[in-house]
Amino acid sequence: DAKTTQPNSMESNEEEPVHLPCNHSTISGTDYIHWYRQLPSQGPEYVIHGLTSNVNNRMASLAIAEDRKSSTLILHRATLRDAAVYYCILNLEGSNYKLTFGKGTLLTVNP
Amino acid sequence: DSGVTQTPKHLITATGQRVTLRCSPRSGDLSVYWYQQSLDQGLQFLIQYYNGEERAKGNILERFSAQQFPDLHSELNLSSLELGDSALYFCASNSGSPYNEQFFGPGTRLTVL
Repeated sequence: DAKTTQPNSMESNEEEPVHLPCNHSTISGTDYIHWYRQLPSQGPEYVIHGLTSNVNNRMASLAIAEDRKSSTLILHRATLRDAAVYYCILNLEGSNYKLTFGKGTLLTVNP
Repeated sequence: DSGVTQTPKHLITATGQRVTLRCSPRSGDLSVYWYQQSLDQGLQFLIQYYNGEERAKGNILERFSAQQFPDLHSELNLSSLELGDSALYFCASNSGSPYNEQFFGPGTRLTVL
């Protein structure tokens, strides 16, 4: 499986934008980039996913580099509720259905 | 609330015992996934079922087995339990497409003493 690299932790202030980076230099042309997050004491929660183009939804934006070797999850205005572990996951086309979680980035949001 | 339910919420048992964890997927979802989350291994995929059939297998031990019933609920059976099996077990569901988001349940915390 192609691997992803994320910082172990990041810190942000409430109501400020947060940019969570993910490197995936061995990504193949058909890998989708998924982001999930896990709030304390809860199951993982889907955030967003994309293939080549930047994507927006009500939770976040996903910016994908032109060469697709990296991506950035953008939380436009962090709230205390956004404090969680964020996982960047590559989902291989057709070859498997599992989500392979790495260690993720622990986001701390300061009031 | 993801719509995925798991029971029980907590389970405490002894080594050597057998337990069954239950998962009800979201209404309309045909696929169920099981994951294990432990402190040292992180979140690991165990197995996936689609409409009653096993579709994908991950790092699932031979002591563990799962099935999906005609009403689409799933059970994960863990036997000959060891201390190292203590973990959070999550169930997720989706339509079955690998590109669709998976909806996770709240998990079952298993403690083996």
